[in-house]
Amino acid sequence: AQSVTQLGSHVSVSEGALVLLRCNYSSSVPPYLFWYVQYPNQGLQLLLKYTTGATLVKGINGFEAEFKKSETSFHLTKPSAHMSDEAEYFCAVSGGGQAGTALIFGKGTTLSVSS
Amino acid sequence: NAGVTQTPKFQVLKTGQSMTLQCAQDMNHEYMSWYRQDPGMGLRLIHYSVGAGITDQGEVPNGYNVSRSTTEDFPLRLLSAAPSQTSVYFCASSYSSRASGTEAFFGQGTRLTVV
Repeated sequence: AQSVTQLGSHVSVSEGALVLLRCNYSSSVPPYLFWYVQYPNQGLQLLLKYTTGATLVKGINGFEAEFKKSETSFHLTKPSAHMSDEAEYFCAVSGGGQAGTALIFGKGTTLSVSS
Repeated sequence: NAGVTQTPKFQVLKTGQSMTLQCAQDMNHEYMSWYRQDPGMGLRLIHYSVGAGITDQGEVPNGYNVSRSTTEDFPLRLLSAAPSQTSVYFCASSYSSRASGTEAFFGQGTRLTVV
């Protein structure tokens, strides 16, 4: 069975500060990992994904994440926060198989950015 | 390119009423799925389809039915609405059910309230 744990339901940072959103996963098969962002009253938009290959993945809007198999982690970072980064962020895992690309989501982390 | 289109955007139902949430995609995607989003719970998979004529249950299927008669459409039916089904519903699609690293595209959501 697969699962995702996002540590911290709410993270607050100052504008220009480092953003770190934590995600740990559990998977019995090699995982495919995703970060999605949801702006208020919007659908989900893909930030980045890890499938195979390079463990440091760069996404849109200056975000990146590093896959660490030994720590079963896929933390999301951004060097300098902007007000426009305020949103809810979801980590998700997909293991394929019969359910295909069905995503298992974490419970989400709301990012607040203060000026 | 419309992507994934959900209708309606908002709906209020009385307990016991039935309704269908519509989802259509114009990307010729093989795989489609329905999720519900509740505060603090992330997104949970209701039903999914790996192709026309093939559907299966996800994590929280009770009270919902689906069918997939065409590649484009994947409606979600509430048989007898209950207050516990008050939620935001998202439809998603991806181009392959076998390639687990493929990105899922999400609709804008349907906000359903059952009174």
